[in-house]
Amino acid sequence: RKEVEQDPGPFNVPEGATVAFNCTYSNSASQSFFWYRQDCRKEPKLLMSVYSSGNEDGRFTAQLNRASQYISLLIRDSKLSDSATYLCVVKPGAGSYQLTFGKGTKLSVIP
Amino acid sequence: NAGVTQTPKFRVLKTGQSMTLLCAQDMNHEYMYWYRQDPGMGLRLIHYSVGEGTTAKGEVPDGYNVSRLKKQNFLLGLESAAPSQTSVYFCASSPTDFMRYFGPGTRLTVT
Repeated sequence: RKEVEQDPGPFNVPEGATVAFNCTYSNSASQSFFWYRQDCRKEPKLLMSVYSSGNEDGRFTAQLNRASQYISLLIRDSKLSDSATYLCVVKPGAGSYQLTFGKGTKLSVIP
Repeated sequence: NAGVTQTPKFRVLKTGQSMTLLCAQDMNHEYMYWYRQDPGMGLRLIHYSVGEGTTAKGEVPDGYNVSRLKKQNFLLGLESAAPSQTSVYFCASSPTDFMRYFGPGTRLTVT
């Protein structure tokens, strides 16, 4: 099982749709989880951290299921500007400086 | 603030040539990283530094060397470039061991 797995997509959705991405991780000792966004030919940027209790930032909701070792990102009311690749990122544990990046899920929001 | 900058933005090398990629940050961050991103692969950590004068190997360090003589700069060197080093290189810095602020990237082609 790969360390961090994501459905590569692409997900093609109409404007206004709700779309959800899942990500699974293999290291049960992982402590911190994030979603990054990467636009085409640009650098990754932090979208949001993922907390155990779940968290929301505007149209974006992130959830963590430790028992099943997966993370999800829900985008409501999709905008054209949401088109990007979404990277699931996992920090293995305390004292580790490494982050493990998923390969990303590509989202295209269509007018 | 410029954030994280990378020099150069693009470069074409011939096999066996050497070059140095420069990363600079003006946020006074302790942590700095070099990643490479290849099609179909997640971001992979090459080397990192937890402070001025310190460096450590990441996931894929072979063929690369680094130096952090000044807190704000992190240099990545390729002593003898190989076609397998064709990639997009991202530098990142962070104030903690999980945040990452990425530079715009360097696109390197080795022929």
